[in-house]
Amino acid sequence: DTGVSQNPRHKITKRGQNVTFRCDPISEHNRLYWYRQTLGQGPEFLTYFQNEAQLEKSRLLSDRFSAERPKGSFSTLEIQRTEQGDSAMYLCASSFSWEGNYGYTFGSGTRLTVV
Amino acid sequence: ELKVEQNPLFLSMQEGKNYTIYCNYSTTSDRLYWYRQDPGKSLESLFVLLSNGAVKQEGRLMASLDTKARLSTLHITAAVHDLSATYFCAVDTNAGKSTFGDGTTLTVKP
Repeated sequence: DTGVSQNPRHKITKRGQNVTFRCDPISEHNRLYWYRQTLGQGPEFLTYFQNEAQLEKSRLLSDRFSAERPKGSFSTLEIQRTEQGDSAMYLCASSFSWEGNYGYTFGSGTRLTVV
Repeated sequence: ELKVEQNPLFLSMQEGKNYTIYCNYSTTSDRLYWYRQDPGKSLESLFVLLSNGAVKQEGRLMASLDTKARLSTLHITAAVHDLSATYFCAVDTNAGKSTFGDGTTLTVKP
């Protein structure tokens, strides 16, 4: 197991385009989280899944954002009609279910630049 | 809404010195995490603190948790250059999601 994998590592897109990121969690982990981090800030929670069910979405996640986790394995985060304010590092993390949680494993992130 | 505050936000120290980073949070929680982040990289888990009075040590870093004071500390002993990084604390809510502080950027100078 190579940990949490995120693709692509970097994405540059023009304003108004749609982008999709992928996260492959640690296979034994049933929870998967998405966070967004802007320069000089700590990561901000966006959404999380337990298996294939999306259990919570932050109010930061506007209608332009959608996340899926089909079959409880990998997850995708799509941003439609990107805006310059969407430029950030998008981090994925996975863990065991919260009751037995002893920490999260983060991926290397996808850095999005909207020009 | 849970708020997590770290101080200082920036710390420059000399090799060999000791210092403490503080993490205060606003609502009850008994799960607190410390992470390290190098520039352009992701978060590396350092410590998981699960109960009041918990203390964990790894090398020159020691973390503690006081849930009654809603305070965690990360103590650095005899700093070395390799410890230069940004350190984040994060607190879990009952929903199992983490709220992060803004980070403390540590620079260790020879």
